[in-house]
Amino acid sequence: ETVLTQSPGTLSVSPGGRATLSCRASQSLSSSSLAWYQQKPGQAPRLLIYGASSRATGTPDRFSGSGSGTDFTLTISRLEPEDFAVYFCHHYGTSPRTFGQGTKVESK
Amino acid sequence: EEQLVESGGGLVKPGGSLRLSCAASGFTFSSYSMDWVRQAPGKGLEWVSSISSSTSYIFYADSLKGRFTISRDNVKNILYLQMNSLRAEDTAVYYCARTRTGYHYDAFDIWGQGTMVTVSS
Repeated sequence: ETVLTQSPGTLSVSPGGRATLSCRASQSLSSSSLAWYQQKPGQAPRLLIYGASSRATGTPDRFSGSGSGTDFTLTISRLEPEDFAVYFCHHYGTSPRTFGQGTKVESK
Repeated sequence: EEQLVESGGGLVKPGGSLRLSCAASGFTFSSYSMDWVRQAPGKGLEWVSSISSSTSYIFYADSLKGRFTISRDNVKNILYLQMNSLRAEDTAVYYCARTRTGYHYDAFDIWGQGTMVTVSS
């Protein structure tokens, strides 16, 4: 099983600022099978990024994903009020699929 | 509109059973692998099970130890999760999710709104 470790647990950023979220895998991920989701309270997760760096339909271009192997990053370049949420990384290249524990992005 | 709607959650006693349903609409359900993911109150996401479009591939989280069974009806466009021998630690919101391209190993692009399962005496 591939364990995903996200850091930091909580990130305090000012609106308009930049957020950098990390996801580290316990083993190298094949085909960059890594996705990022956003979840707001009381809502289902929403797919933002797949294949480590491809934006899903409707994902604003201020969201970008990068990385390969075991180290992946989600960057939000200019935080909008609606971006304050919890973000999860997800490995889907094998079974069992696994999720990181989440990073909460809060307003500073 | 592509949509998933879960139902069947509720309060059940430890050791009891429950069957969740996920009704799909707005897309060709039979062409997509589908998964169940759960989230305990205040916790992160936990993958539960997956089933390929033709049911050729079925996988479960090791932690379930044979208590859950995933299935699908490609005529009625419904995904199921039969949950037996329920425990307090199964208390969670259960989401069904669609794989992005239909391929078994892909990200989840459509999620249902979730159905709450509470296991308590």
